[in-house]
Amino acid sequence: GENVEQHPSTLSVQEGDSAVIKCTYSDSASNYFPWYKQELGKGPQLIIDIRSNVGEKKDQRIAVTLNKTAKHFSLHITETQPEDSAVYFCAASKSNYQLIWGAGTKLIIKP
Amino acid sequence: GAGVSQSPSNKVTEKGKDVELRCDPISGHTALYWYRQSLGQGLEFLIYFQGNSAPDKSGLPSDRFSAERTGGSVSTLTIQRTQQEDSAVYLCASSRDGGYTFGSGTRLTVV
Repeated sequence: GENVEQHPSTLSVQEGDSAVIKCTYSDSASNYFPWYKQELGKGPQLIIDIRSNVGEKKDQRIAVTLNKTAKHFSLHITETQPEDSAVYFCAASKSNYQLIWGAGTKLIIKP
Repeated sequence: GAGVSQSPSNKVTEKGKDVELRCDPISGHTALYWYRQSLGQGLEFLIYFQGNSAPDKSGLPSDRFSAERTGGSVSTLTIQRTQQEDSAVYLCASSRDGGYTFGSGTRLTVV
């Protein structure tokens, strides 16, 4: 079955710098890769997703890149702000299958 | 409603008692998921409902846990004879086309 590994488990960056979180997946048939942000006391919220027919997707300060050959995808946050502090989860799935989740990355933005 | 609604938001129960947690998904979402999240940990899959198909119960940790989904909408997760290790946040999510929308969760504390 699918397995998703996420690194690092904790990431601390200076406010204004960029943050990158990486995930690898095992099932080459996976074709949907979302990223979720979980703030304290809340459920995870979808922030960006990418499907396997594209290599990169951007939405303001966040972007996701996908390398199908290497089976890895990454979340990039530029110009980090205090409100970016949260836990971020990656996930992967095949069509009509449930999401398989990474273990999460705690992102800390230092003022 | 506009989002996934879970109730109660907080539940404190005595060890050995039964509890029921409710999830009201987004109208029209055919898939519904229950997850458990211990403090500072990732998402532990519990059970998955898809339309009228038999649910995927492979994540339920013991036979004290059960869930049902009535009329393809509201779902109830029941934990019988609660134990202290059941203390966690229980998250519900619904989906229509791949992306999940999570509720805010029920924080269960067993004392």
